[in-house]
Amino acid sequence: EVQVVQSGAEVKKPGATVKISCKVSGYTFTDYYIYWVQQAPGKGLEWMGLLDPENGETKYAENFQGRVTISADTSTDTAYMELSSLKSEDTAMYFCATGVGAVGYWGQGTLVTVSS
Amino acid sequence: SYVLTQPPSVSVAPGQTARITCGGNNIESKSVHWYQQKPGQAPVLVVYDDSDRPSGIPERFSGSNSGNTSTLTISRVEAGDEADYYCQVWDGSSAHVVFGGGTKLTVL
Repeated sequence: EVQVVQSGAEVKKPGATVKISCKVSGYTFTDYYIYWVQQAPGKGLEWMGLLDPENGETKYAENFQGRVTISADTSTDTAYMELSSLKSEDTAMYFCATGVGAVGYWGQGTLVTVSS
Repeated sequence: SYVLTQPPSVSVAPGQTARITCGGNNIESKSVHWYQQKPGQAPVLVVYDDSDRPSGIPERFSGSNSGNTSTLTISRVEAGDEADYYCQVWDGSSAHVVFGGGTKLTVL
């Protein structure tokens, strides 16, 4: 059974950096892409970027380019998403997910609150 | 960049059929996936590759894709189907994932 487990909620000050982890199990880590998706309160899903764990290649959405870094540790089957220069508008739920083509497996989400 | 357009809301009575559309330029050339998200929960894949269902998803959920519109159809709607629904494609030209804006399904 595929499982995706994310790290816990974070509270950050404006300008800070947050790093969220995402541990997967139940499949070969390098077989599926890792996706990160932002969902602001009351808003829709917004794709942030993806990582191909097989070769480390990343793609980022224009809205987050320059502020987001997605990485992975293949020895622990864990992916990470780092978002820098946090603003109040970055207060949101962040989902890690995986799959081939369709995003079939989602983590529980990590709430990041940005507040002074 | 590629844009997917969904109606903000759809309402349907229990037992009736709900149709949620997802518009995009020549969307029929892409594989469309649909997700259901209930309040406070992570999204769940309900239809992939236009019309296939993951295991565990009721046959009441079906999908189609033609021309510039993809459609998620939910037959014999139940109160438990009330949720937000999102369509999603892979835009090969930009190598980006694209989500529609989401549709809130209300069961009257």
